[in-house]
Amino acid sequence: DTEVTQTPKHLVMGMTNKKSLKCEQHMGHRAMYWYKQKAKKPPELMFVYSYEKLSINESVPSRFSPECPNSSLLNLHLHALQPEDSALYLCASSHNGLEGDTQYFGPGTRLTVL
Amino acid sequence: GEDVEQSLFLSVREGDSSVINCTYTDSSSTYLYWYKQEPGAGLQLLTYIFSNMDMKQDQRLTVLLNKKDKHLSLRIADTQTGDSAIYFCAEGTSGGYNKLIFGAGTRLAVHP
Repeated sequence: DTEVTQTPKHLVMGMTNKKSLKCEQHMGHRAMYWYKQKAKKPPELMFVYSYEKLSINESVPSRFSPECPNSSLLNLHLHALQPEDSALYLCASSHNGLEGDTQYFGPGTRLTVL
Repeated sequence: GEDVEQSLFLSVREGDSSVINCTYTDSSSTYLYWYKQEPGAGLQLLTYIFSNMDMKQDQRLTVLLNKKDKHLSLRIADTQTGDSAIYFCAEGTSGGYNKLIFGAGTRLAVHP
């Protein structure tokens, strides 16, 4: 199994809502990532978890809250988002998060904030 | 600083070869990657090359690396309509963590 799955595929939420994005992999990878991709732009790294510990936070606003309950699961909790947060949110995983480690991406969750 | 640049658009005829170019700035990058993204989809890893290699071939794909000029290219032989997508070049940063810096992406359009 070389797949990273993400749910939901699409999400529409209001600025006062609380929602969560979910990512799962069963490749035995110990590093997982959240990226944000705006239209016609490359992905931008948000967070990196390595061995269930947060190792990189790219100065992401606190309305985005990541969680890694175990090595196979990664969540992104959303609260009080702004319309400019509308984007494709991509999850990725890799073997151990060290330099040179190949990242495998999921299909993404397309988020629209009204 | 870290920066990756790509041309934004390439149009080729079906059956021809496509060459997508990329330049990067971090000379200490150990791995360089090519990802493909189809409309509305995630990123698919196509291939990668280790920085001590000059060339890597994988079926229709050939990657060339000129480390002196910090130039990377992806050649797709016998380009098909299914190859139409956005192609991202990415460098893996040095310093212990596996952080990818992506280029802006090259949109490849394949026409009959």
